[in-house]
Amino acid sequence: DSGVTQTPKHLITATGQRVTLRCSPRSGDLSVYWYQQSLDQGLQFLIQYYNGEERAKGNILERFSAQQFPDLHSELNLSSLELGDSALYFCASSRGQGVAKNIQYFGAGTRLSVL
Amino acid sequence: GIQVEQSPPDLILQEGANSTLRCNFSDSVNNLQWFHQNPWGQLINLFYIPSGTKQNGRLSATTVATERYSLLYISSSQTTDSGVYFCAVVPTSGTYKYIFGTGTRLKVLA
Repeated sequence: DSGVTQTPKHLITATGQRVTLRCSPRSGDLSVYWYQQSLDQGLQFLIQYYNGEERAKGNILERFSAQQFPDLHSELNLSSLELGDSALYFCASSRGQGVAKNIQYFGAGTRLSVL
Repeated sequence: GIQVEQSPPDLILQEGANSTLRCNFSDSVNNLQWFHQNPWGQLINLFYIPSGTKQNGRLSATTVATERYSLLYISSSQTTDSGVYFCAVVPTSGTYKYIFGTGTRLKVLA
């Protein structure tokens, strides 16, 4: 168990809908990262938050947004869902954002199926 | 941007065999981690190894940062070793995000 908790484990929804994925980092970790794993794109970094502030952005679509709350949990919001958004979404956390502290621990993932 | 290539892409072994997985990266890196993604999709940390050699049971890893590669050794493989192995790197230039390799899919036969 990595200590990173993601909910829900599975999500089935329809095109055009909006969903929220939740992540609780390991105790003491200030950084949260979101990744998307799809069959055709592999594992791709979406976005990073550090202590409530956005720190890095990857290939995140404009239909997607995220935030990190004062208690350090994070939510990833996906809207106007398309079939191609079906993927495994991972959250990871690390102690800080510095190089020496950037060992990332991954949650079990949320499997999103858009029908 | 940095390219991270893993080889071989697929590997089938008999239980008890040894194997070496390779990760090449095209630019200097600050961090490197090896992960195992099991058949249920979970990503499990194996090693944090930006340089040097580490061992954990039947697994060991070596990173030669100056030559831009890392190796993961699996000895006496077991069926539970099956899954996909990823290396992920944080480039020296840029932000603190991991770039994942394409993975090596390992199947260990009983």
